[in-house]
Amino acid sequence: DAKTTQPTSMDCAEGRAANLPCNHSTISGNEYVYWYRQIHSQGPQYIIHGLKNNETNEMASLIITEDRKSSTLILPHATLRDTAVYYCIVRFDNAGNMLTFGGGTRLMVKP
Amino acid sequence: ETGVTQTPRHLVMGMTNKKSLKCEQHLGHNAMYWYKQSAKKPLELMFVYNFKEQTENNSVPSRFSPECPNSSHLFLHLHTLQPEDSALYLCASRGEGPYGYTFGSGTRLTVV
Repeated sequence: DAKTTQPTSMDCAEGRAANLPCNHSTISGNEYVYWYRQIHSQGPQYIIHGLKNNETNEMASLIITEDRKSSTLILPHATLRDTAVYYCIVRFDNAGNMLTFGGGTRLMVKP
Repeated sequence: ETGVTQTPRHLVMGMTNKKSLKCEQHLGHNAMYWYKQSAKKPLELMFVYNFKEQTENNSVPSRFSPECPNSSHLFLHLHTLQPEDSALYLCASRGEGPYGYTFGSGTRLTVV
């Protein structure tokens, strides 16, 4: 039952890279790391996931440490629309169902 | 639009009312979920359906009753709710493999 630890909040200047850390020191070998974000009063939005290797898509990059105990989500050029709560998730039950999100990091992108 | 559509977006109901929330997806996903997100509390899994069969009921009170008539539609029937049931109710779907969940925009429910 891997749990995650994220900072409660972070600020980022518009146009700069936003680096959001997540600790998941109890992650097991076959558990993926998923990142979602939730803009106020909307449904969560999938961003990216990874197992061991670093991943990149049109939204973000995911850097996973070699021991897999932590990861960093990178938004390369943050915009005001990236202001949201960002969740790092590794907690799934034996059937692969996501049980909860946890507290997340509230990212505020400022002009 | 994410591919998962929830209706209504907002709902106000009295404690003696009966209402239903609807979720629809045409992503070809086989698993559908109901989650509850209360103010200042983390997301909580309520129900899981795989291939239209309920596979998990996460200790949800019987005043919440799910229905999955086919793999594209999911309902949450509500009756005799309490004010503490006021929350954002989210529907999600997931396909095969280690892919992420696709969430709907949610129904903001207020019980008065």
